Amino acid sequence: EVQLLESGGGLVQSGGSLRLSCAVSGFTFSNYAMTWVRQAPGKGLEWVSTLSGSGDVTYYAVSVRGRFTISRDKSKNTLYLQMNSLRAEDTAVYYCAGGRIGGGNFCVDPWGHGTLVTVSS
Amino acid sequence: QSVLTQPPSVSAAPGQKVNISCSGSSSTIGNNYVSWYQQLPGTAPKLLIYENNKRPSGIPDRISGSKSGTSATLGISGLQTGDEADYYCGTWDSSQSAGVFGGGTQLTVL
Repeated sequence: EVQLLESGGGLVQSGGSLRLSCAVSGFTFSNYAMTWVRQAPGKGLEWVSTLSGSGDVTYYAVSVRGRFTISRDKSKNTLYLQMNSLRAEDTAVYYCAGGRIGGGNFCVDPWGHGTLVTVSS
Repeated sequence: QSVLTQPPSVSAAPGQKVNISCSGSSSTIGNNYVSWYQQLPGTAPKLLIYENNKRPSGIPDRISGSKSGTSATLGISGLQTGDEADYYCGTWDSSQSAGVFGGGTQLTVL
């Protein structure tokens, strides 16, 4: 069974840092692009970042570029999102997801249950 | 303001069919595959359609997807109260090298 389990969310002050983790089981990292998607309270989905299946290409939304870093540890089957210089507008539920992205494709599946990040100003 | 435009809400009676539109541009929908997601209240999104019109295993055939030019449509027939949810389209933006989602459409089954 495929499972993605996020952790690391919480309350942080504006300007602070937080690292999200996503423990993956049931599929092989190298076969999938891994993605973070967020959803602010009462708002829609916002794509945040994608790491290619090969692990050597990263993509970031303009809103987080230069502040967030996506990475993975294959030995631990874990995806990370290092978030620095956090702002109030980064407050959201952050979802970890697998999928096929690139070469004209955009298919985000499966999804984790999400972890809430709250940035206080 | 989302790069992909969806109607904020749609509604229909049980048993009827509803279409949800998603409008983009040549750099988004025009040159990339579209996927659709259902989000029930308080839950994570779920993939309904990928590569414009393909259904993952377990998604019933009353769910359909299509694409024409720079627009895509999600169709749901035989509406049930359990279909009440938010629906999102998604695709890649080749000009920005970024993923994009529509603003979401809230479906009400009257």
